Amino acid sequence: SQELEQSPQSLIVQEGKNLTINCTSSKTLYGLYWYKQKYGEGLIFLMMLQKGGEEKSHEKITAKLDEKKQQSSLHITASQPSHAGIYLCGANGGYGNKLVFGAGTILRVKS
Amino acid sequence: DAGVIQSPRHEVTEMGQEVTLRCKPISGHDYLFWYRQTMMRGLELLIYFNNNVPIDDSGMPEDRFSAKMPNASFSTLKIQPSEPRDSAVYFCASSPFKVAEQYFGPGTRLTVT
Repeated sequence: SQELEQSPQSLIVQEGKNLTINCTSSKTLYGLYWYKQKYGEGLIFLMMLQKGGEEKSHEKITAKLDEKKQQSSLHITASQPSHAGIYLCGANGGYGNKLVFGAGTILRVKS
Repeated sequence: DAGVIQSPRHEVTEMGQEVTLRCKPISGHDYLFWYRQTMMRGLELLIYFNNNVPIDDSGMPEDRFSAKMPNASFSTLKIQPSEPRDSAVYFCASSPFKVAEQYFGPGTRLTVT
């Protein structure tokens, strides 16, 4: 079965700093999804990547899927307190839309 | 659209009691998913439906868990009897088609004492 490892598990950054979160898969990624979760709330969809080398951006968040399709990174530029939360990557290993998720990365932004 | 709706938002029950969680997916979405989130195990898929038909229930932990989708706008997840280890946040999500993002509800926080 496919497993996703996220790193780091948590990080604290100063407001205005850039940061990167990684998601590494044990198998080829056919679809990689990034979500954000705030405590006590559901997951908010951020971006979906499918093709090797693909890169997408939404506001100050950029996600990439590497060429070999086994790793994705999420980069936040000029972090703000509103970026704080838990970021989860989810993937389907080619089995339709049955997703497995990483353990999540807890982001805190100090103002 | 109101998004995925779940009820109740919080449920506290005693061990041995029956618990029913409810979900209304986004209108027009053909896929519905039930997940469970705990600190120890993270976010796990329990079961998912396509056009009201259960497709994969391999994540359902035990026979105590059952899920139904009687129509396109309603699904239930039932635990009978409940146990303390069932305490978790249960999410429902829906998706418009097979390869697409899933939209999550706010979750039901279940506490079994």
